[in-house]
Amino acid sequence: KQEVTQIPAALSVPEGENLVLNCSFTDSAIYNLQWFRQDPGKGLTSLLLIQSSQREQTSGRLNASLDKSSGRSTLYIAASQPGDSATYLCAVDKGNSGYALNFGKGTSLLVTP
Amino acid sequence: DAGITQSPRHKVTETGTPVTLRCHQTENHRYMYWYRQDPGHGLRLIHYSYGVKDTDKGEVSDGYSVSRSKTEDFLLTLESATSSQTSVYFCAIRDRDGNEQYFGPGTRLTVT
Repeated sequence: KQEVTQIPAALSVPEGENLVLNCSFTDSAIYNLQWFRQDPGKGLTSLLLIQSSQREQTSGRLNASLDKSSGRSTLYIAASQPGDSATYLCAVDKGNSGYALNFGKGTSLLVTP
Repeated sequence: DAGITQSPRHKVTETGTPVTLRCHQTENHRYMYWYRQDPGHGLRLIHYSYGVKDTDKGEVSDGYSVSRSKTEDFLLTLESATSSQTSVYFCAIRDRDGNEQYFGPGTRLTVT
């Protein structure tokens, strides 16, 4: 079974800092990896998807990297803002079970003004 | 948001009663999923569908059944609700072009 771990579980940073969220997975045979954002009491918003053949993807202030061989992905957030406060979820698609996602438990981010 | 709606958005029901949650999508995506989200467990797959009348079980399928008679609708049924099924239920689709999954707004179910 694919295990997905996110460290740290919670993070608090002052506004303007650059930060890195970590995701590790136990089985390197993945199809793709997806990062989501979830605001309290809300649904999941897709941020970035990295195909297994890719090393990184960028969207605005977000950059996600993937190292399949070591079973790791990072989400880099540049120049953090209070509006970035949310829970960030990493999810792995192994390409089986209908391409269903295996989720980590998330990192809760608080950006203070 | 990939045109995904869920109904109801909130429901309180009693132990032992049947409950059906509906997921509706407007863009003819082939793959649809039901996940549940619980504190300490994260999101876990209940069932998924890969076409009309084609469904399969996920990690936590006990006590749940699903049906998909039309491409746009994926129903999740709790035949006899239990307190352990109190959770937030999310429906998702897999985009056929980019392979991303997009999620609905969720249904908060409380079983008393």
